[in-house]
Amino acid sequence: QVQLQESGPGLVKPSQTLSLTCTVSDGSINRGNYYWSWIRQPAGKGLEWIGRIYTSGNTNYNPSLKSRVTISVDTSRSQFSLKLNSVSAADTAVYYCASGHGYVNFDYWGQGTLVTVSS
Amino acid sequence: DIQMTQSPSSLSASVGDRVTITCRASQSISTYLNWYQQRPGKAPKLLIDAASKLQSGVPSRFSGSGSGTDFTLAISSLQAEDFATYYCQQSYGTPLTFGGGTKVEI
Repeated sequence: QVQLQESGPGLVKPSQTLSLTCTVSDGSINRGNYYWSWIRQPAGKGLEWIGRIYTSGNTNYNPSLKSRVTISVDTSRSQFSLKLNSVSAADTAVYYCASGHGYVNFDYWGQGTLVTVSS
Repeated sequence: DIQMTQSPSSLSASVGDRVTITCRASQSISTYLNWYQQRPGKAPKLLIDAASKLQSGVPSRFSGSGSGTDFTLAISSLQAEDFATYYCQQSYGTPLTFGGGTKVEI
């Protein structure tokens, strides 16, 4: 079973860059045909897919965030990362990382990390 | 974007009840539909993929059906641990999108 763990600052100032890392257990990040996603959830609201990356480095982003998002992968560290720039209060949410393969988009999830955007 | 609409947004039920949640896609998505359960303060958990394929370890009281634009998640006999919020999600195309959620409460 894949285990994922998010890490990063819990507080980011408006207009700055939100940076999070997801560490994947046991070298699973090198699994063939897997991809690695970020999803977020504002308090009391639904889920929004941010984007995903394959170990090849290919990415797909949600058009609603594409201009501000970069997802990268470091297979040597079994990690993938999210950068979201020019943040505002609307970006305050719990951020999850998740694994997927084929049409099973999110089979394993991290526990989530709350990021608050505030001065 | 493919819009996913769930109904109802919330429902009240009792232990032992049969519960059904519906999910409608804004266009045909074949059976590229996944269901998740989210308990308060926890990450979502995948219950069903491909509209009807139960994940390993998920109780058989959960079932999924549908294709095209209309889908259903059913819980045959509600248990205490099933009180949670349920989300559908389409995997037909990007951006990947979720329904708004259905909160199942007592």
